[in-house]
Amino acid sequence: GAGVSQSPSNKVTEKGKDVELRCDPISGHTALYWYRQSLGQGLEFLIYFQGNSAPDKSGLPSDRFSAERTGGSVSTLTIQRTQQEDSAVYLCASSRRTSAENEQYFGPGTRLTVT
Amino acid sequence: QKEVEQNSGPLSVPEGAIASLNCTYSDRGSQSFFWYRQYSGKSPELIMFIYSNGDKEDGRFTAQLNKASQYVSLLIRDSQPSDSATYLCAVPRWRDYKLSFGAGTTVTVRA
Repeated sequence: GAGVSQSPSNKVTEKGKDVELRCDPISGHTALYWYRQSLGQGLEFLIYFQGNSAPDKSGLPSDRFSAERTGGSVSTLTIQRTQQEDSAVYLCASSRRTSAENEQYFGPGTRLTVT
Repeated sequence: QKEVEQNSGPLSVPEGAIASLNCTYSDRGSQSFFWYRQYSGKSPELIMFIYSNGDKEDGRFTAQLNKASQYVSLLIRDSQPSDSATYLCAVPRWRDYKLSFGAGTTVTVRA
C-alpha cells in the first residue's frame, strides 16, 4: 500500500511569511509524529498525535508552531512568521501505536528554506 | 538521563568487517525496539525491529536485545560501502508508545 506522503517536497519562503506543511499517514495508522531535522543534526521531536487523545505538543519550539490532525488522518503543521532558523527538513511519521505493532514509517520530508 | 542513548561514533570499519552499534534505554517498561538507517539527505528507513530477548537475524543484520540490562544492539556483518549511513535506535514509552530516538551513530565502511 501507499506509504506516508508529505507535501510540498520543497518550500522556499520569505522571512515573516506563514507556511503550511501537509502529511498523509499510512491508512489505518492512529499515531502521527512531526519531527524537524536541521542539516547534519539529529531528529528533533515536535508533536505526537495519539489517536483520540490530546496531542503531545512538548516538542514545539515556540508558539509560532502549531499542528492539527483532522478526522484522525491528514495532519498540517503550520509555522507562522517564519524565521531563518526554521529552515530544516520537516519529517512526518506514522504508526499503528499498539504494543505489538508500533513500527513507525517516515515520509520523504519537506525541505523548508526561509530566505 | 536521556531516554535513548547510542555510542557516539563515528564508526569506521573496513569492507567485510562487522560493525557493532549499541543502544541503551531508560524505560524498563518498553516492549519493542527499532533500528532505522538514514542515508544523507534521505528520511529514516526502518531496517530491524525486535520484541523478545535474544537475537533476531535478517540477512546481514542481527539485532540483540537484553531487557534486564536495558540494552539493544545492531550488528552489520560483511559490511559494504552501501551500509555507510547514520543508524538510529528508537524505543517507545510503555505508557503511550511515543517513540524516542537516539542521536544516531554514523557508520562509514571503507572500501
